[in-house]
Amino acid sequence: GNSVTQMEGPVTLSEEAFLTINCTYTATGYPSLFWYVQYPGEGLQLLLKATKADDKGSNKGFEATYRKETTSFHLEKGSVQVSDSAVYFCALTHLPLVFGKGTRLSVIA
Amino acid sequence: GAGVSQSPSNKVTEKGKDVELRCDPISGHTALYWYRQSLGQGLEFLIYFQGNSAPDKSGLPSDRFSAERTGGSVSTLTIQRTQQEDSAVYLCASSSQGSSGNTIYFGEGSWLTVV
Repeated sequence: GNSVTQMEGPVTLSEEAFLTINCTYTATGYPSLFWYVQYPGEGLQLLLKATKADDKGSNKGFEATYRKETTSFHLEKGSVQVSDSAVYFCALTHLPLVFGKGTRLSVIA
Repeated sequence: GAGVSQSPSNKVTEKGKDVELRCDPISGHTALYWYRQSLGQGLEFLIYFQGNSAPDKSGLPSDRFSAERTGGSVSTLTIQRTQQEDSAVYLCASSSQGSSGNTIYFGEGSWLTVV
């Protein structure tokens, strides 16, 4: 079946550090891939997405590239801020949306 | 509406009671989803509607859980004879179509506590 595996947290970084959160997937066919973010006390919101191989999704300084050969969709940001502290979920969709377990990121000043 | 609306936002109920959670999707969205997020856990898929029909009920954890959607809009998730392990945030989401690449928008959830 379809599944998503993402690195376990928590991840703690200093402000301006480089961030990578790994995500790999197992799916039949060609899923779309997503990163969702959940800020403290808020609902899930879409961060970025990619719908086909080699597509790069980007938003708010975050990027992820759909790599079919490695079945990966790693999230990266070059310089994190305290306001990026949240839980990040990798997901794929073939209906319904299948989520990873989430990675909690804490950024300290 | 502007976003996915869920009610109640918080519910405390006694073990054994029934609860109903309501979801009002974004206007015009035909697909509607229910997920459950337990403390420290990821998101667990419960059920998915396309229009008023539910092609995938595979995630409902037991026969105490049921959901319906009428008029292609509002959905109700019902939990009968609640148990303490039902305590979680119940998230509703909707999308414009039930196809793979469409963005799914989430509500802020209904936090259920069973005491």
